[in-house]
Amino acid sequence: GAVVSQHPSWVICKSGTSVKIECRSLDFQATTMFWYRQFPKQSLMLMATSNEGSKATYEQGVEKDKFLINHASLTLSTLTVTSAHPEDSSFYICSASPGTSGGVEQFFGPGTRLTVL
Amino acid sequence: AQSVTQPDIHITVSEGASLELRCNYSYGATPYLFWYVQSPGQGLQLLLKYFSGDTLVQGIKGFEAEFKRSQSSFNLRKPSVHWSDAAEYFCAVGGYNTDKLIFGTGTRLQVFP
Repeated sequence: GAVVSQHPSWVICKSGTSVKIECRSLDFQATTMFWYRQFPKQSLMLMATSNEGSKATYEQGVEKDKFLINHASLTLSTLTVTSAHPEDSSFYICSASPGTSGGVEQFFGPGTRLTVL
Repeated sequence: AQSVTQPDIHITVSEGASLELRCNYSYGATPYLFWYVQSPGQGLQLLLKYFSGDTLVQGIKGFEAEFKRSQSSFNLRKPSVHWSDAAEYFCAVGGYNTDKLIFGTGTRLQVFP
């Protein structure tokens, strides 16, 4: 149980285009979903937290107009990288949690590697 | 400031040897502590977690970790490493009043046969 999927697993796009990444909790309802960004050989940096039906909460320094997050249902959240540029190339990982309080485990997706040419 | 430090960027051990990965944290409230493992190009898998109670916690794949409040540490151990344990290991801290996690920079484990 507690499986989180991401789609696509990798994507290559041209500079200036938009890319949508989906994150799905397959066997549980995810009250909260998190989006992380991971640079090569570095740690995970939290980009934003989203709760179903409400606007995402972005971390300081993350452009909300560039990284659009939609948590439309209890099993699906999407991250859209708008007008992507080469510096947006990274490994994006989502996680999902069945609760909202501290200590509730986050279940991680397999990640999406974005390459912007 | 809240932070997690993993002092060892890269560790190499022989298969069958014991392993200890270090993790130190700085957190303003009672910490919830986690260890995750990440294989190349994959997401993270939870190895173990500590919320309260017994300071020695057992996890999956034969891993254990010990919470030492006085040292602000949560080191991960395994008595005998297998080649399949080669991966990136992340320590993370959270709290009862937040669902966010703060991750360390990770330790890359390499296992030689």
